[in-house]
Amino acid sequence: GQSLEQPSEVTAVEGAIVQINCTYQTSGFYGLSWYQQHDGGAPTFLSYNGLDGLEETGRFSSFLSRSDSYGYLLLQELQMKDSASYFCAVRGGNTGTASKLTFGTGTRLQVTL
Amino acid sequence: DTGVSQNPRHKITKRGQNVTFRCDPISEHNRLYWYRQTLGQGPEFLTYFQNEAQLEKSRLLSDRFSAERPKGSFSTLEIQRTEQGDSAMYLCASSLGGGRDTQYFGPGTRLTVL
Repeated sequence: GQSLEQPSEVTAVEGAIVQINCTYQTSGFYGLSWYQQHDGGAPTFLSYNGLDGLEETGRFSSFLSRSDSYGYLLLQELQMKDSASYFCAVRGGNTGTASKLTFGTGTRLQVTL
Repeated sequence: DTGVSQNPRHKITKRGQNVTFRCDPISEHNRLYWYRQTLGQGPEFLTYFQNEAQLEKSRLLSDRFSAERPKGSFSTLEIQRTEQGDSAMYLCASSLGGGRDTQYFGPGTRLTVL
């Protein structure tokens, strides 16, 4: 089967940097995605890592180490609007479908003044 | 609006009734997915279409659930004989394929079974 672990809650101050870690166990791994979800809203795509290394998109960066089955999302210059749940999701699976996403349970980020 | 759309946004039904949800993907996307999300959890994969072909179904998708994508455009998800445990947010996503195959989600249909 597949499993992902990420912290349940993180609190940080506006303007700070926060890192949300994700470890996974899976077969048929194609890549790691990150999604943001505000309460009552739809998951919104943030970043994807198919290969080892760092991907940077504005204030958000994501890192992947396939050998360690580990990734993280880095949020810089935190803003109040960044308060949301963040999900890592493994793309792939043991059925051979490259497109299927398996999500973690999410990390709730609270940004304070 | 060129994003993924879902209808209805909310559905309240009584146990034992049938319900049907509709998803309209981003127009050029050939892949369509259904997920279910309960409070405090991440979305769980239910099923996946490439064009009109249903290529994978999760074990979560009992025989009371059926999904179709008859012309490779919009999709419907039907739940027969609803149970209280079916109460959840049902999310649809679509993607174009390719290397990243990024999935874009719709706003979801929130189902409440009384």
